[in-house]
Amino acid sequence: QKEVEQDPGPLSVPEGAIVSLNCTYSNSAFQYFMWYRQYSRKGPELLMYTYSSGNKEDGRFTAQVDKSSKYISLFIRDSQPSDSATYLCAMSQAAGNKLTFGGGTRVLVKP
Amino acid sequence: EAEVAQSPRYKITEKSQAVAFWCDPISGHATLYWYRQILGQGPELLVQFQDESVVDDSQLPKDRFSAERLKGVDSTLKIQPAELGDSAMYLCASSDRDRAVKLFFGSGTQLSVL
Repeated sequence: QKEVEQDPGPLSVPEGAIVSLNCTYSNSAFQYFMWYRQYSRKGPELLMYTYSSGNKEDGRFTAQVDKSSKYISLFIRDSQPSDSATYLCAMSQAAGNKLTFGGGTRVLVKP
Repeated sequence: EAEVAQSPRYKITEKSQAVAFWCDPISGHATLYWYRQILGQGPELLVQFQDESVVDDSQLPKDRFSAERLKGVDSTLKIQPAELGDSAMYLCASSDRDRAVKLFFGSGTQLSVL
């Protein structure tokens, strides 16, 4: 069993819909939780990170962490075709430590 | 905006040959990472440098892979000999000391071993 599990999708939504993504993990030592966006043939780009449990909002993006359930989520409001990409969750035990990634969820936002 | 530079972008080689990838991190970033991403999977850490020192190479297949960052700036990852299973995207990332959580990734080198 992988340390971080993520539904591979693809997840197809109409433009303007809310995109809901999530990951589960098994290692309770993880303290930092990140979401990366990766376009085809490009490197991942950090969208947001959260320390420990709680919510964080940045524009159309909201990240939630529930350490008691070992479950993290990313919500994208008012989705746009330009949001079509693969979204990767990642986690680490401390700042500067290696990241453990989920397998990524492919998202397609249709005009 | 500063970027992590990687070359080449694509590399095709035959098994048993040697290949090398180069990475130039964002200026001033002390920490440099090499990750490998197999198609359809998330990246996995191969090696992490802090300045010129290796911090973590526990997942680096040391019988065939080597990495160096001699002056604590740019870095080279080498595979010799390449195997079919090495076909993947090789990603370099860097971060600075004060914001170690934020990793900046390059566009990667796509390796195909035939």
